[in-house]
Amino acid sequence: DAKTTQPPSMDCAEGRAANLPCNHSTISGNEYVYWYRQIHSQGPQYIIHGLKNNETNEMASLIITEDRKSSTLILPHATLRDTAVYYCIVRVASNTGKLIFGQGTTLQVKP
Amino acid sequence: GAVVSQHPSRVICKSGTSVKIECRSLDFQATTMFWYRQFPKKSLMLMATSNEGSKATYEQGVEKDKFLINHASLTLSTLTVTSAHPEDSSFYICSARTASGSSGELFFGEGSRLTVL
Repeated sequence: DAKTTQPPSMDCAEGRAANLPCNHSTISGNEYVYWYRQIHSQGPQYIIHGLKNNETNEMASLIITEDRKSSTLILPHATLRDTAVYYCIVRVASNTGKLIFGQGTTLQVKP
Repeated sequence: GAVVSQHPSRVICKSGTSVKIECRSLDFQATTMFWYRQFPKKSLMLMATSNEGSKATYEQGVEKDKFLINHASLTLSTLTVTSAHPEDSSFYICSARTASGSSGELFFGEGSRLTVL
C-alpha cells in the first residue's frame, strides 16, 4: 500500500472549515483514499473514502486531485468535538482489507 | 455504521498472568478481523489479521505464541496476551470489515487498555 504524508498538527477555529491535506504521490490506480479519526482513548472512527471522484457525506467532504497524488479532507464547520488525530490511508480495495496507519494529523479545534 | 464491541475496556493484571480480550461484531458477520496495538502518543500498529476458521496471519515482529488469536465464529475474535509483562501494557484495538472483496470500510472497537503490574 502507498505511503501518505500529513502535517503533524493543525489548528482550526471553532465554526470554521478545517482543511486537512494528505500527499500520496505513489498511489496506484486501484488504491482508495480513506480517512479515519481517533479521539483520545477511543478506537478510530471511519469518516469517508474515495477513489478518484470527490465525495461528501454527513461528516465531511473528500477532495481528490485529478492526478490523485493528493487529497484534502474538509470538515465544513469544525466543532470542539472534532479535535482528534486524523489519519489518511491509501489501500487496495481487496478482501484482505487491512489498514496501515501513519502518524496522522492532530487537529486542535479552538474556541 | 456497523458496531464493533470490545471487552473488557480496561484490565489490570499481574505480571506473568494471561489476559483475554474479546472483539465482537454486533450487527454484521465478519470473516476477517484485525488486531492493533497503540502506545501512548503513537499511531496504531497492526499486529495480526484474524480469519474465521483458520489461523491468524501475524505481522512481522509480532510473536504468535505471545499473542494468541482465535476467530471461532463470524462475530467473535479473541486476543490472549500470554504471560503478560509490563512492556505489554498498551491500548489494544480490533476492527472488522462489513463486506469482503469490496472497498467496504473497516469499523473499529472502542479499544481495551491493558496495564500489567
